[in-house]
Amino acid sequence: DADVTQTPRNRITKTGKRIMLECSQTKGHDRMYWYRQDPGLGLRLIYYSFDVKDINKGEISDGYSVSRQAQAKFSLSLESAIPNQTALYFCATSDEGQNYGYTFGSGTRLTVV
Amino acid sequence: QKEVEQNSGPLSVPEGAIASLNCTYSDRVSQSFFWYRQYSGKSPELIMSIYSNGDKEDGRFTAQLNKASQYVSLLIRDSQPSDSATYLCAVNPNFGNEKLTFGTGTRLTIIP
Repeated sequence: DADVTQTPRNRITKTGKRIMLECSQTKGHDRMYWYRQDPGLGLRLIYYSFDVKDINKGEISDGYSVSRQAQAKFSLSLESAIPNQTALYFCATSDEGQNYGYTFGSGTRLTVV
Repeated sequence: QKEVEQNSGPLSVPEGAIASLNCTYSDRVSQSFFWYRQYSGKSPELIMSIYSNGDKEDGRFTAQLNKASQYVSLLIRDSQPSDSATYLCAVNPNFGNEKLTFGTGTRLTIIP
């Protein structure tokens, strides 16, 4: 099993729908992150959490929310999806043992039509 | 000015040659630096990390860091077609607040 698992792998949804992307990890890392990747724009940070009670906005948090249900689970929600949220979404984890280098999940390709 | 800059490429290198990938960063107090490889449609995979000035070698990969010039590079020796991918440079800009900032990546193509 993968260390960082994202579900679903692919999703097509309609404008205005609420959608949740889930991330779970078996690495025991405290720190978890959500990024989106767009061609030419690279990876941009949406939200991050350094422990279960800690939630922080990243550079592009508008239109998104998160929930850290447990050390191992960090979910990203799009409250009302819009087409420009079409992107590849990655969850990542890190800890001091890797000098905070990230381990990424396999990604969720989201299309909003 | 972007915090982490990379030449987007594409960079084409003959098989067996050395591929040289470069990255500059703007925050002088940055502490740690990472290179990720990303195949099309896949997730980034950590291949090298470097924290001190100088060179760090791991197999065919060498990372080079020059903090005075705010420059980090990745050399790939004996390039193979399987090295064809996008390479992302990532920088940890703030010690104690570890969120990586990524460059937009350099697309590398190894020509057989």
